[in-house]
Amino acid sequence: DAGVIQSPRHEVTEMGQEVTLRCKPISGHNSLFWYRQTMMRGLELLIYFNNNVPIDDSGMPEDRFSAKMPNASFSTLKIQPSEPRDSAVYFCASSFPAGGGAYNEQFFGPGTRLTVL
Amino acid sequence: KNEVEQSPQNLTAQEGEFITINCSYSVGISALHWLQQHPGGGIVSLFMLSSGKKKHGRLIATINIQEKHSSLHITASHPRDSAVYICAVRTSNFGNEKLTFGTGTRLTIIP
Repeated sequence: DAGVIQSPRHEVTEMGQEVTLRCKPISGHNSLFWYRQTMMRGLELLIYFNNNVPIDDSGMPEDRFSAKMPNASFSTLKIQPSEPRDSAVYFCASSFPAGGGAYNEQFFGPGTRLTVL
Repeated sequence: KNEVEQSPQNLTAQEGEFITINCSYSVGISALHWLQQHPGGGIVSLFMLSSGKKKHGRLIATINIQEKHSSLHITASHPRDSAVYICAVRTSNFGNEKLTFGTGTRLTIIP
């Protein structure tokens, strides 16, 4: 199994540009999570999907951020327009339900390091 | 005050020492996760537990629900254990998988 796949691994862009981060979850996993990690705030959940439906987007910082999951094998996180304070490492993770309302561990992708100049 | 507090923030020890990292939380939870973040940045899930104790190799995780406290222990520590260890909790809201993270403990094991 290839694990969670994220692309690109590194992205450098200029303020005001649109940025799109991509994630392919592990096959068979039906929950997908987008996280942001910064030195100041650590790891934070941005949004998560279950069966392609957004369940909790309370961590999405503002309208400049949007996320989609058009099918079970693909998700995008878009920032438009990007700002220097968006510079961070963005992780995608996936998991599958354990049944009976319980949940399993989350498997993390390698992350995308975003730098906005 | 953060919902999830870890201590210590940084820990340096000699190879072979017994390591303990602590996590305290202030909310009701359905599960607690311990994660390991390697120096290269990758994150690996070590444990997910809601009661008692779990063991995997030299790693042991315990949780006390009444005291809202968990510990991660490493026996016979090795330089390859050097990493950031992150505690995360899933609140008790049924059907919500959202994790809230501690700020991490940076562990350095000296040969």
